[in-house]
Amino acid sequence: NAGVTQTPKFRVLKTGQSMTLLCAQDMNHEYMYWYRQDPGMGLRLIHYSVGEGTTAKGEVPDGYNVSRLKKQNFLLGLESAAPSQTSVYFCASSYPNIRQGRYEQYFGPGTRLTVT
Amino acid sequence: DQQVKQNSPSLSVQEGRISILNCDYTNSMFDYFLWYKKYPAEGPTFLISISSIKDKNEDGRFTVFLNKSAKHLSLHIVPSQPGDSAVYFCAASVIRGAQKLVFGQGTRLTINP
Repeated sequence: NAGVTQTPKFRVLKTGQSMTLLCAQDMNHEYMYWYRQDPGMGLRLIHYSVGEGTTAKGEVPDGYNVSRLKKQNFLLGLESAAPSQTSVYFCASSYPNIRQGRYEQYFGPGTRLTVT
Repeated sequence: DQQVKQNSPSLSVQEGRISILNCDYTNSMFDYFLWYKKYPAEGPTFLISISSIKDKNEDGRFTVFLNKSAKHLSLHIVPSQPGDSAVYFCAASVIRGAQKLVFGQGTRLTINP
């Protein structure tokens, strides 16, 4: 089991360029999430999905779009990158275990993005 | 308006002693709380969690305490080991719905030999 994987690991973009970050999970989890982490701050939720074909906005969605065409993949897109989007991006997935009362999320290794 | 706060950016503890990390929250709707550990250049790793119907949960060297009236939780690590040196994040969520996590800013724990 690879768990949650993210590609790429690093990327440098110029202002105005676009890119897509890919998240994949092999745990058959229903829920997937994209967070960003900035220096001195905790992780903040960008967008999330509670199932294939569904997406919703999180706390800081502006400038990002997402798609969940397959259950195992969650894509994060930047249409026109800005320096304020320089950050480390983490993907996570979860399966609500109601019977055991467990709701933890499992995180990927992160993508470090720099926008110049 | 930060709903989850970790007021200590850093903590230094001697190996073998107890490490206590603290976290406060403001939203009374939160009913599930988690602690994550993060090493540099890696993703957060789940450590331990607690539901609001409990006030304590133990897993080996890690114990989480929840004080709902004070809206405060803490993580105790006993005994502390050098491998525990990392950044620790507390997070809170509402179980109903998508269980979106709201994170604190993190506390950097250093275990000294």
